[in-house]
Amino acid sequence: EAGVAQSPRYKIIEKRQSVAFWCNPISGHATLYWYQQILGQGPKLLIQFQNNGVVDDSQLPKDRFSAERLKGVDSTLKIQPAKLEDSAVYLCASSRDRHGYTFGSGTRLTVV
Amino acid sequence: AQTVTQSQPEMSVQEAETVTLSCTYDTSENNYYLFWYKQPPSRQMILVIRQEAYKQQNATENRFSVNFQKAAKSFSLKISDSQLGDTAMYFCAFMPNSGGSNYKLTFGKGTLLTVNP
Repeated sequence: EAGVAQSPRYKIIEKRQSVAFWCNPISGHATLYWYQQILGQGPKLLIQFQNNGVVDDSQLPKDRFSAERLKGVDSTLKIQPAKLEDSAVYLCASSRDRHGYTFGSGTRLTVV
Repeated sequence: AQTVTQSQPEMSVQEAETVTLSCTYDTSENNYYLFWYKQPPSRQMILVIRQEAYKQQNATENRFSVNFQKAAKSFSLKISDSQLGDTAMYFCAFMPNSGGSNYKLTFGKGTLLTVNP
C-alpha cells in the first residue's frame, strides 16, 4: 500500500509570512494526525481528525495555526503568521484506529 | 497527563553487540500501549515494537525485545546483534487505551543510537 504523502519536503519562510503543508493519508485510514517535532525533542500532537471531525486540538496554537480535512481524506495545516519558534518538522500520520499508525516523511520548516 | 522520559540522549554500540535503551513513563491510566519508534535521517517514524500493558509477556520482534516493568513504569528496548542500519534516533511513546477515539501518542525526547563498525 502507498504510504502517507506529505509536501513540501522543505520550506523556508520569513517570520510573519504564512505557510501551508499538505498531507494525503493511506487510503481507508479514518484517523489523521499532525505532529510538530522541534529539533532535539520528540513529536508533539497538534491535532487529530476522525474522518473530517476534530478529536483533539488541545495543543494547537489556534491564534496562528489552523488545519482542515475536507471530505475526510487530504488535510492541510496552515501557519499564519509564522514565528521563529515554529521552525520544526511537521509530521503527518494516519491510522485505521489506535493501531497501524503510519507516518509520512514530514516537512522541515525553517522560519528566518 | 502522561509523561515519557528517556534519560540517555546518546548511546553508541559496536556492531554485533547488544545495547539497551531506557524509558520510564508516568500515568494514572491502567490500560495503555507502549511503543518504540525508530527515526532515521529520512525523518519517517518507523514502528519497532509495541507492548500492551495488560500483557505480562514482554514483546519481541526479531532482534528487538522489551523489558516491560508495569509497577516500576519502565519500558526498555534491547537490540541484539546490532547492525549499522540500526543507527537512528529512537523514541519511546505512550498511548492510552481508555476507550473512545483518542489515539494520541506522547513521545519522549529520544535517544540517538550510533552503531560503530
